[in-house]
Amino acid sequence: AQTVTQSQPEMSVQEAETVTLSCTYDTSESNYYLFWYKQPPSRQMILVIRQEAYKQQNATENRFSVNFQKAAKSFSLKISDSQLGDTAMYFCAAVLGTNSKLTFGKGITLSVRP
Amino acid sequence: DTGVSQDPRHKITKRGQNVTFRCDPISEHNRLYWYRQTLGQGPEFLTYFQNEAQLEKSRLLSDRFSAERPKGSFSTLEIQRTEQGDSAMYLCASSLRQVYNEQFFGPGTRLTVL
Repeated sequence: AQTVTQSQPEMSVQEAETVTLSCTYDTSESNYYLFWYKQPPSRQMILVIRQEAYKQQNATENRFSVNFQKAAKSFSLKISDSQLGDTAMYFCAAVLGTNSKLTFGKGITLSVRP
Repeated sequence: DTGVSQDPRHKITKRGQNVTFRCDPISEHNRLYWYRQTLGQGPEFLTYFQNEAQLEKSRLLSDRFSAERPKGSFSTLEIQRTEQGDSAMYLCASSLRQVYNEQFFGPGTRLTVL
């Protein structure tokens, strides 16, 4: 089965602190792509960061970085210097085959406290 | 605004009625996807097109659902004989052809079936 699992339903972090969101996946494919998407309340989904499975180097985008552990099939998102605007639902997603469809986890609600 | 647009944004209908949603992708994107998102869950893949060809349909897409993308531009998703279980957010996304490319999401159409 090709699945994406986010086991934490919600997290809270103080503004300016660092938070890590967890994600695991399962696939038999050798080539795949992993994503974190952000969905703010009542707003559309936007891409936060992307990781190609064949790349060993962890992707970074400004305050956002990933810890990609291929053997463990783990793909966590670290948000540094959390800001109030980071409050949103975060979805881990993957393209696990050749058809480019995204398989999403259930999401995690992140609240940044002032 | 050159992003993905969806119309209508909200639709309330009575059980048994037919509804149709429209998605306009980013103009140069040749792949278009439909997802369904229920409250508190991640989006689930329904179907996708490359240009005008519908390449894959999920088992979630029952016979009451049909999608088209005439001329490879906008797409429509029709639900016939709606049921209360069809109540959800219907998301459209578009991307360029490569599987690793970012999917850009529209704002979604929220369907409520009474």
